[in-house]
Amino acid sequence: DVKVTQSSRYLVKRTGEKVFLECVQDMDHENMFWYRQDPGLGLRLIYFSYDVKMKEKGDIPEGYSVSREKKERFSLILESASTNQTSMYLCASSLYRGPGRNTEAFFGQGTRLTVV
Amino acid sequence: GENVEQHPSTLSVQEGDSAVIKCTYSDSASNYFPWYKQELGKRPQLIIDIRSNVGEKKDQRIAVTLNKTAKHFSLHITETQPEDSAVYFCAASRTSGTYKYIFGTGTRLKVLA
Repeated sequence: DVKVTQSSRYLVKRTGEKVFLECVQDMDHENMFWYRQDPGLGLRLIYFSYDVKMKEKGDIPEGYSVSREKKERFSLILESASTNQTSMYLCASSLYRGPGRNTEAFFGQGTRLTVV
Repeated sequence: GENVEQHPSTLSVQEGDSAVIKCTYSDSASNYFPWYKQELGKRPQLIIDIRSNVGEKKDQRIAVTLNKTAKHFSLHITETQPEDSAVYFCAASRTSGTYKYIFGTGTRLKVLA
């Protein structure tokens, strides 16, 4: 079974703090993603990475950065947390099998972040 | 940018009835369309997917149809059961270049016993 593990299930941080959300996958997947889930807005892509040290912006990258120093780990960083970043954050990974051969994304259990 | 619209946002059906959820995508280069089910408090999990070279795919009570010309795809659940109650997300992805998944806004399905 593929496992995508996020470091925290619940986090409470103060406005202005630097926040790190960690995600680890154990199936040697090339692609990793960070999504934000809000009611009525679905899953919105923040950043994704298709290889070590490679990253691309998603639809809502403002206020976030990412780091991928090792293939299995993808970190989301909130440089200066704000109350509008209170949300559920979902990490996902998928295997790259070549052009035309997408595979499913496997999700972590989510981190519910509250910024006060 | 790329966008996936999903309707309806909520859907209530009687147990045993069918449920249909519809999605429309904007990126004509998309050719992979997965559907995810998210039960309360759990992570999204793939239930069925379809690629652009296929018009329909079935897996027991679940089916997905794809109309590439109209950029439209749908999830059909027949003989619904209470355990089908969940939030369902459609997504679209390209099969070359970047492999990001663009998700719809979700449909909350309630199956009434």
